[in-house]
Amino acid sequence: AQKVTQAQTEISVVEKEDVTLDCVYETRDTTYYLFWYKQPPSGELVFLIRRNSFDEQNEISGRYSWNFQKSTSSFNFTITASQVVDSAVYFCALSRRSEKLVFGKGTKLTVNP
Amino acid sequence: DAGITQSPRYKITETGRQVTLMCHQTWSHSYMFWYRQDLGHGLRLIYYSAAADITDKGEVPDGYVVSRSKTENFPLTLESATRSQTSVYFCASRKLGQGTNTGELFFGEGSRLTVL
Repeated sequence: AQKVTQAQTEISVVEKEDVTLDCVYETRDTTYYLFWYKQPPSGELVFLIRRNSFDEQNEISGRYSWNFQKSTSSFNFTITASQVVDSAVYFCALSRRSEKLVFGKGTKLTVNP
Repeated sequence: DAGITQSPRYKITETGRQVTLMCHQTWSHSYMFWYRQDLGHGLRLIYYSAAADITDKGEVPDGYVVSRSKTENFPLTLESATRSQTSVYFCASRKLGQGTNTGELFFGEGSRLTVL
């Protein structure tokens, strides 16, 4: 069975602080895919990143970076110099190649001015 | 415009009534999914479909029925709505992966259902 754990239910930071959202996953598959989605207050789900199990390179996209470590089954997401617009619920998810995504329960991030 | 659309966006109904939430995608993606989102539970899979006429249960299928007669449509029916089915429902689609690649899930805007 596949499982995703986002232990942080809510995080509150002040603007310009760095913040890391944790994601720990469980799977018996050797090939799998990890995702992060953002859900702003408007409610839509926005895709942020996809990573496959063969690629452990960290990725940086502007202020966002992701740290994938198979040894600890983690796929953490860091926002550098957070902004108010980063306030949202962030979901980590896991899947096999084309099948259903299993989501964590989400982390609500509030960035205060 | 291409995309995935859900209707209705908002629905209020009464206990015991039948409700159908519609989902339409224009990409011809093979996979389609229905998730429900509830506070404290994140997104939970109700049903999914790998292709037309192929459907399978997810984590929380009880009380729901789906069909997929055409690739582009994946309606979700609550045969006799209950208060516990008050939720936000998201439809999603996903391309069939090729090789070691896989596509992300594309979500509709959600349908907020209230059962009184």
